[in-house]
Amino acid sequence: SQQGEEDPQALSIQEGENATMNCSYKTSINNLQWYRQNSGRGLVHLILIRSNEREKHSGRLRVTLDTSKKSSSLLITASRAADTASYFCATDASETSGSRLTFGEGTQLTVNP
Amino acid sequence: ETGVTQTPRHLVMGMTNKKSLKCEQHLGHNAMYWYKQSAKKPLELMFVYSLEERVENNSVPSRFSPECPNSSHLFLHLHTLQPEDSALYLCASSQDFGRRGKLFFGSGTQLSVL
Repeated sequence: SQQGEEDPQALSIQEGENATMNCSYKTSINNLQWYRQNSGRGLVHLILIRSNEREKHSGRLRVTLDTSKKSSSLLITASRAADTASYFCATDASETSGSRLTFGEGTQLTVNP
Repeated sequence: ETGVTQTPRHLVMGMTNKKSLKCEQHLGHNAMYWYKQSAKKPLELMFVYSLEERVENNSVPSRFSPECPNSSHLFLHLHTLQPEDSALYLCASSQDFGRRGKLFFGSGTQLSVL
């Protein structure tokens, strides 16, 4: 079954504004990860949050995790045109013996200069 | 630069052709992965290798044949593909399959099947 599902599918904002993307999942997880993908390129890891953590920060990124609601959010503060990309959440289900990340369909973020 | 290199970047092939995708990682990782990314669909995990042994084969058609000769190299051999196999094929690596860490992706091979 589908794991991470991002919301919204597309988001368009002005430079300097904050961008919030949400991810919902269905099964218990070991960790949840966020990745970024520029058009036609590979994915780049942004941040990993473990199931026993509630919030993590990395530069302008803030990730929260609510395991009771099976949801996570990625906040990008003070966005820049260079943040334009697709953002994916990926879940590592806890019942598997090794790491098999399951990705959502992504949120396409456009930051207008 | 993530330390994972994929070649070729673009590939156009006919349905009767045989071609191979190559992936090389320079990170000293022990696990390597093939993912397929089609338009409007989530990334699909195809194969996982841990210490050169295949540990995952997600019901992938036999026209896709992976090979992992050592922990730094991963191949995906393609034959008699269908037009619906056109997609971006991404290779990734991680430190260890069991450690549940982050993945490092290559830039992908954009495959078009005519």
